[in-house]
Amino acid sequence: KAGVTQTPRYLIKTRGQQVTLSCSPISGHRSVSWYQQTPGQGLQFLFEYFSETQRNKGNFPGRFSGRQFSNSRSEMNVSTLELGDSALYLCASRAGTGTDTQYFGPGTRLTVL
Amino acid sequence: GQQVMQIPQYQHVQEGEDFTTYCNSSTTLSNIQWYKQRPGGHPVFLIQLVKSGEVKKQKRLTFQFGEAKKNSSLHITATQTTDVGTYFCAGNYGGSQGNLIFGKGTKLSVKP
Repeated sequence: KAGVTQTPRYLIKTRGQQVTLSCSPISGHRSVSWYQQTPGQGLQFLFEYFSETQRNKGNFPGRFSGRQFSNSRSEMNVSTLELGDSALYLCASRAGTGTDTQYFGPGTRLTVL
Repeated sequence: GQQVMQIPQYQHVQEGEDFTTYCNSSTTLSNIQWYKQRPGGHPVFLIQLVKSGEVKKQKRLTFQFGEAKKNSSLHITATQTTDVGTYFCAGNYGGSQGNLIFGKGTKLSVKP
């Protein structure tokens, strides 16, 4: 099975712009979670989608949003970028049943100038 | 809010020495997972612990879940240079498995 894929892998934006990141989960997985990883804050949960519905949301401002499509692919959008949004954005997929485990993608490295 | 504390932040060992990282939560966990992230890589799932007092082994790695399900540890026996990376614990507090609270990680370096 192919793993979790994320595009693009690297992105450079300027303050005030918006960005959309994409995540394709492992085939058959219905749950996609997004995490932000920074040196200072570590790995922080952004949100989880399951069957096109947002199931959970972390403590991030409304500038961070996401969605999931019927094929389970997910996108994450960040509007009005700030310097502090520079981070590695990771998505993780899982089947979505019981205590199944998450599998992380390689991440998108976002740099905001 | 819910928080998982992980120590130490860094650990430098000589190859062949043992290594242990600890995670602690102020409230009871539903389960805890451990991940390893190599430099420049992404977190890779190692193991999940669910039961109180559970101990699991993977070759030189031993994982423990405390009796109160509030703490956990990862112990590596006789470290090798391939063990280099950051080890994270991630707790689930009874919600979805897709919403994990990660510890800050322990960065392990191994001197040959």
